Amino acid sequence: DQQVKQNSPSLSVQEGRISILNCDYTNSMFDYFLWYKKYPAEGPTFLISISSIKDKNEDGRFTVFLNKSAKHLSLHIVPSQPGDSAVYFCAARNQAGTALIFGKGTTLSVSS
Amino acid sequence: DAGVIQSPRHEVTEMGQEVTLRCKPISGHNSLFWYRQTMMRGLELLIYFNNNVPIDDSGMPEDRFSAKMPNASFSTLKIQPSEPRDSAVYFCASSLRQGSGANVLTFGAGSRLTVL
Repeated sequence: DQQVKQNSPSLSVQEGRISILNCDYTNSMFDYFLWYKKYPAEGPTFLISISSIKDKNEDGRFTVFLNKSAKHLSLHIVPSQPGDSAVYFCAARNQAGTALIFGKGTTLSVSS
Repeated sequence: DAGVIQSPRHEVTEMGQEVTLRCKPISGHNSLFWYRQTMMRGLELLIYFNNNVPIDDSGMPEDRFSAKMPNASFSTLKIQPSEPRDSAVYFCASSLRQGSGANVLTFGAGSRLTVL
């Protein structure tokens, strides 16, 4: 059973608008959540993270929100740019471990 | 830093053949991970090492898969014998485990395996 779920396989947004990518999780023992971005033929690259004791973390155009009671997090990209078109992976770390557990990813397409 | 280096980038082989994927982690990193990406299952963890010691190999599909880390700068993932369902992109990643903190993994570019 998947512990980290990204239920939207794809998202299309116009340049300049907001992109919202969603992620749900089931394990209350996760202590960190991360977002990675992946371009074709490349490995995933780290984007932004949030600790389970926070509810928001912001880095430039990227903001991650965490709702622990709902076991839900989201990544907001404002404003969206064509270069943001990629696959976005949500990941979580179990506080007892080192490895990250990933969702299946959401493909974001930003059109100009 | 050159980042995480994986080889080969592409491998095409026939069913039954042995496949060896290689990884050089970032110097100074003490954790190494092997992930596999498929359309059906996304990015799934196969195995990871801390200080060259395998910690969790529960994600390794079956006995046909094995991984080693003989030293801090090299790891291999071997499939013997390979099967068509092993076709996927295999990623190696490394990190510096420091107890608390997000433990950001740095990924290599991946090895795309096709088993005919």
